[in-house]
Amino acid sequence: SAVISQKPSRDICQRGTSLTIQCQVDSQVTMMFWYRQQPGQSLTLIATANQGSEATYESGFVIDKFPISRPNLTFSTLTVSNMSPEDSSIYLCSVTPGHASGEQYFGPGTRLTVT
Amino acid sequence: EDQVTQSPEALRLQEGESSSLNCSYTVSGLRGLFWYRQDPGKGPEFLFTLYSAGEEKEKERLKATLTKKESFLHITAPKPEDSATYLCAVLNDMEYGNKLVFGAGTILRVKS
Repeated sequence: SAVISQKPSRDICQRGTSLTIQCQVDSQVTMMFWYRQQPGQSLTLIATANQGSEATYESGFVIDKFPISRPNLTFSTLTVSNMSPEDSSIYLCSVTPGHASGEQYFGPGTRLTVT
Repeated sequence: EDQVTQSPEALRLQEGESSSLNCSYTVSGLRGLFWYRQDPGKGPEFLFTLYSAGEEKEKERLKATLTKKESFLHITAPKPEDSATYLCAVLNDMEYGNKLVFGAGTILRVKS
């Protein structure tokens, strides 16, 4: 497994501002993923971030709203841009140490509240 | 489109009262089925991976089984510390990139 940390753990932001969430892994991994978990709901994949290539976004998510960086094999950032109250969620990053197994390990999450 | 349905939505058990959680799935070729535990305010914690029908895995009081259409998470003699949301997810063997599709989860409460 991998040890994953996220910063910040929580934040309260004003409408119209942006927040960048960091995800750090203790080992090199090829694939990193960003999920959103809205209150009382399950996880929805936002995008897949591979080092050295553009992130791949799922239907309903766009790069202008959720720009992602993946500068190396242990780090990624997700920015939530021009926030509205509907963006209030928990944002989670995950990694898969091995492509074949499919197992993903999750960070502790960032709880975002937009007022 | 891949779908994962978990039941029940919520389950209340007395300590020691064994039960099962269900995860039914529709996927065009299953590459793997995953169980996670999520505590409030935390990220999901990986529990099990099942790859083929008939496979079983155990960890402490938990046992996961898999058929061609569903998976069960059996909880034997649960304790209050087993209280959590249990999530099921599937990986499609046609999908490059390890995209997991999650169910809505079962909220388990175990009372002493």
